[in-house]
Amino acid sequence: RKEVEQDPGPFNVPEGATVAFNCTYSNSASQSFFWYRQDCRKEPKLLMSVYSSGNEDGRFTAQLNRASQYISLLIRDSKLSDSATYLCVVMNYGGSQGNLIFGKGTKLSVKP
Amino acid sequence: SQTIHQWPATLVQPVGSPLSLECTVEGTSNPNLYWYRQAAGRGLQLLFYSVGIGQISSEVPQNLSASRPQDRQFILSSKKLLLSDSGFYLCAWRTGVYQETQYFGPGTRLLVL
Repeated sequence: RKEVEQDPGPFNVPEGATVAFNCTYSNSASQSFFWYRQDCRKEPKLLMSVYSSGNEDGRFTAQLNRASQYISLLIRDSKLSDSATYLCVVMNYGGSQGNLIFGKGTKLSVKP
Repeated sequence: SQTIHQWPATLVQPVGSPLSLECTVEGTSNPNLYWYRQAAGRGLQLLFYSVGIGQISSEVPQNLSASRPQDRQFILSSKKLLLSDSGFYLCAWRTGVYQETQYFGPGTRLLVL
């Protein structure tokens, strides 16, 4: 089983739509969780951290379910500028010095 | 503020040629530094990380090597490139092992022909 799994998409949605991405991770000892955004041919950039209590940043809401080892990202009122690939990222302490494990990403395309 | 630089931005190299990619960080000291590769249609793969000058850990056996000659400089090298070395090479940094967020440089796109 891969460490971090995501639906690759693409998700094609109209402007204004609400879209949700899911991610599962295999290591129950994982400690920290993130969503990164990667635009085409660009470097990944941190979108938001994911906390156990859930957290919101404007139109973006992230949720973590440790029991199910499941992370989600909800985007409300989608904008054209939200088109990108969204990477689910997990950090495990110990071993490789707390390095990040990346999912392959979910591609989102928001259409006018 | 901290910035991270990578060069070159793009590179086309023949099979069997050497490689040297450079990454430098400004505005911080003693960062943890990382080299990742993102091949077409694949996720980011950690290649090397370094917690200090001269300290390199390899995550994946391959024909690449890394060096950290200065605190804020990280170099990725190869003596002989393979076709499979093509990809998007990203350098990243963070201030410490438990400072969670990593920040990425703009990347080098390498095509081996």
